[in-house]
Amino acid sequence: KQEVTQIPAALSVPEGENLVLNCSFTDSAIYNLQWFRQDPGKGLTSLLLIQSSQREQTSGRLNASLDKSSGRSTLYIAASQPGDSATYLCAVASGNTGKLIFGQGTTLQVKP
Amino acid sequence: DTEVTQTPKHLVMGMTNKKSLKCEQHMGHRAMYWYKQKAKKPPELMFVYSYEKLSINESVPSRFSPECPNSSLLNLHLHALQPEDSALYLCASSLGTSGGVIAKNIQYFGAGTRLSVL
Repeated sequence: KQEVTQIPAALSVPEGENLVLNCSFTDSAIYNLQWFRQDPGKGLTSLLLIQSSQREQTSGRLNASLDKSSGRSTLYIAASQPGDSATYLCAVASGNTGKLIFGQGTTLQVKP
Repeated sequence: DTEVTQTPKHLVMGMTNKKSLKCEQHMGHRAMYWYKQKAKKPPELMFVYSYEKLSINESVPSRFSPECPNSSLLNLHLHALQPEDSALYLCASSLGTSGGVIAKNIQYFGAGTRLSVL
């Protein structure tokens, strides 16, 4: 059974700092891994999707990496801003069903 | 445009009421999903529709009844809910299959319906 873990559960950093969020999964047989952002009480915004054959994806100040063999992904946020404050969720698609299995999320606070 | 629209944004209902949640997308996506999210927890999959056919039911109680009238619209009919069903209900959509694999595509989420059952 696939399990997804995110560490840390919460993170507080000063503005401008570079930071890394971690995601690990127990079964390396995945189709892809997707990173989402969720603001309080809101829906999920897709940030990056990495297919199982890829090593990394970049979008602006965000860079996500995937090491399928070790069951790990990282989301790197460069030059953090207060507007980056949110909960970040990673999710893996394991079977050919469209089902996403989510980690518990990392709640990020960027202080001005 | 990557918009998935959910209505209503908020819903309060009694345990004897019947109500429906609506989800709409006009991106040509052929896979649509319902997720349930309790406070401070990650979303959990409830149903998957692929090409307007129900492909996954994650053992959801029958008081939740999904419907996919056409490729753009997904409904969730609610009847005789319990207070513990109070949650944020999220709809998502994706392109459908890529090379026969539904899982390869980005899922785009709506803003959700905040449901309170009294």
